[in-house]
Amino acid sequence: GESVGLHLPTLSVQEGDNSIINCAYSNSASDYFIWYKQESGKGPQFIIDIRSNMDKRQGQRVTVLLNKTVKHLSLQIAATQPGDSAVYFCAESRYSGGGADGLTFGKGTHLIIQP
Amino acid sequence: DSGVTQTPKHLITATGQRVTLRCSPRSGDLSVYWYQQSLDQGLQFLIQYYNGEERAKGNILERFSAQQFPDLHSELNLSSLELGDSALYFCASSARGMNTEAFFGQGTRLTVV
Repeated sequence: GESVGLHLPTLSVQEGDNSIINCAYSNSASDYFIWYKQESGKGPQFIIDIRSNMDKRQGQRVTVLLNKTVKHLSLQIAATQPGDSAVYFCAESRYSGGGADGLTFGKGTHLIIQP
Repeated sequence: DSGVTQTPKHLITATGQRVTLRCSPRSGDLSVYWYQQSLDQGLQFLIQYYNGEERAKGNILERFSAQQFPDLHSELNLSSLELGDSALYFCASSARGMNTEAFFGQGTRLTVV
């Protein structure tokens, strides 16, 4: 069936380096793609989203890239800090009828920051 | 703090029992979403309510039901519990029906023994 998935379960980076977390999706009908961060013991926290008609969006220290040709989404985190340690989920959203359906989440990538 | 409150934080119950999880959305948010997070299934969308009415359904079992009350708080009812229902249950809210702007609560950890 249609799904959103992640390439790597764990990513380890040095503090101060840039991190790139990847995500493959299969549903071309999605309207938005979103990245969430989940720290241990907490609920998912919205990081950034991108509409399906865009290919790049920047936030504070984060950039999301969308490649619809190969159905690939990535999250780039600049100058990674210890507080960035978390599990990162990509998710897709579709709008139908009078509103949005629930988010479809990928499996998650655990980002580990090495000192 | 996301502004979404879930109670209880932890719940331990026996198989066959029924439990109710409660969610208070952020002030002013009309939309409430329920998600289940387990190790094998990941984060799965269960159901959405908007201003008291059911808006969308995901992978919600027939043993589970939910409602949103006039004050906009929501309850998720889980009945005939099985060991496999052990999971984290999250509630999220958004101002409108746009779940890209949803804010998640800290979750209720349900353990079925």
